[in-house]
Amino acid sequence: GAVVSQHPSWVICKSGTSVKIECRSLDFQATTMFWYRQFPKQSLMLMATSNEGSKATYEQGVEKDKFLINHASLTLSTLTVTSAHPEDSSFYICSASSLAGLQGSYEQYFGPGTRLTVT
Amino acid sequence: GEDVEQSLFLSVREGDSSVINCTYTDSSSTYLYWYKQEPGAGLQLLTYIFSNMDMKQDQRLTVLLNKKDKHLSLRIADTQTGDSAIYFCAEIDNAGNNRKLIWGLGTSLAVNP
Repeated sequence: GAVVSQHPSWVICKSGTSVKIECRSLDFQATTMFWYRQFPKQSLMLMATSNEGSKATYEQGVEKDKFLINHASLTLSTLTVTSAHPEDSSFYICSASSLAGLQGSYEQYFGPGTRLTVT
Repeated sequence: GEDVEQSLFLSVREGDSSVINCTYTDSSSTYLYWYKQEPGAGLQLLTYIFSNMDMKQDQRLTVLLNKKDKHLSLRIADTQTGDSAIYFCAEIDNAGNNRKLIWGLGTSLAVNP
């Protein structure tokens, strides 16, 4: 199956610093990548959708200047949390979509997630 | 807007069958999905069903779709301790410029020996 990687898997940073998280599709070209945030024992919250070569589409309530998304190629998207604060501590998960999956279905493949802790 | 609902918890004994239920609101969804999330990990696509199907079976997994009632279920036969995880139901939202998935809150499955 399709493999999506994330780096780093966990990161601890000081309040006020910026953190970059990478999401890569390893064996397929992802025209669209998604960034999610997940709080403990809660569902996924979609933050933004990014298409290669264009600006990301942010969900309502997500600050685009705080969560910078770059989708420079069909295999790489990055999320930068700028001026991080303790309330940004969370589990961030990316996914990549394949338009041509089994029987033409639309499937999202998920990375393993990045645990961010802001002290 | 679209909404997906699931019960939050399910506890079963090892070897029994587990049935996780989900309801959705968007009748135009073409695909519905089941994902599995183990602790501290990302999500794994378990299976999906196309909207013109009533049932899909894949080894121990059986998906049933009732389009009239907008009800989706996932049955896990011979549940094992390794099946303990959170199971998310999702429907596809085709509106707008980008297709995206609408997620349920997840059902936490506990398998007791």
